[in-house]
Amino acid sequence: QLHLQESGPELVKPSETLSLTCSVSGGSISSSSYFWAWIRQPPGKGLEWIGTVFYTGNSFYNPSLKSRVTLFVDTSKNQFSLNLNSLTAADTAVYYCARHWDYYDGRGQRAAYFDYWGQGSLVTVSS
Amino acid sequence: SFDLTQPPSVSVSPGQTATITCSGDTLGHKSACWYQQKPGQSPVLVIFEGVKRPSGIPERFSGSNSGNTATLTINETQPMDEGDYYCQAWDSRSAVVFGGGTKLTVL
Repeated sequence: QLHLQESGPELVKPSETLSLTCSVSGGSISSSSYFWAWIRQPPGKGLEWIGTVFYTGNSFYNPSLKSRVTLFVDTSKNQFSLNLNSLTAADTAVYYCARHWDYYDGRGQRAAYFDYWGQGSLVTVSS
Repeated sequence: SFDLTQPPSVSVSPGQTATITCSGDTLGHKSACWYQQKPGQSPVLVIFEGVKRPSGIPERFSGSNSGNTATLTINETQPMDEGDYYCQAWDSRSAVVFGGGTKLTVL
């Protein structure tokens, strides 16, 4: 059974950079079948996809966050990580890591879904 | 940008059928999926590729897609089905997009 676990600071100051790591167990992050993603949820609000990374390091991001986000992988540790810079209070959220299936459906349309999620890590941006 | 619109809330009586909709431009041509999230828990995938159920998801959960709307249907709704439900799809401009979520109340 695949298990994902987020780790990182609970409190970060405005203008600083958030660094979170997702440790994957029960499966290899180096599989060519799927990707790895970060998704966040501000308190009391909905889900927002941040970005996705492949084990090779190739990544793609939410256009609204692209200028502030970097995702990278460490296959030796079976981990992938998120850096989000220039933080503001609006970045306060529960941050989830998840396994991302990305494929083309029967109609040739690109599609995606997230089938395994971590428990989430609450990050508060405050001075 | 590509937006997915869900009703903020849906109420249903136990044993009845709950229907949650998700609307978006050309959504009928995409493979939508649905997640259930209970308070304090991580989201759980309940429907993918528009109509498929992951292993372990009860048969009372089903999905459909027509026109610009994807629909999650829960037959014989149980109190344990209460929670927030999110649709999600892929768009060529925005990549991964989530709907705003629908709070399902069973009363």
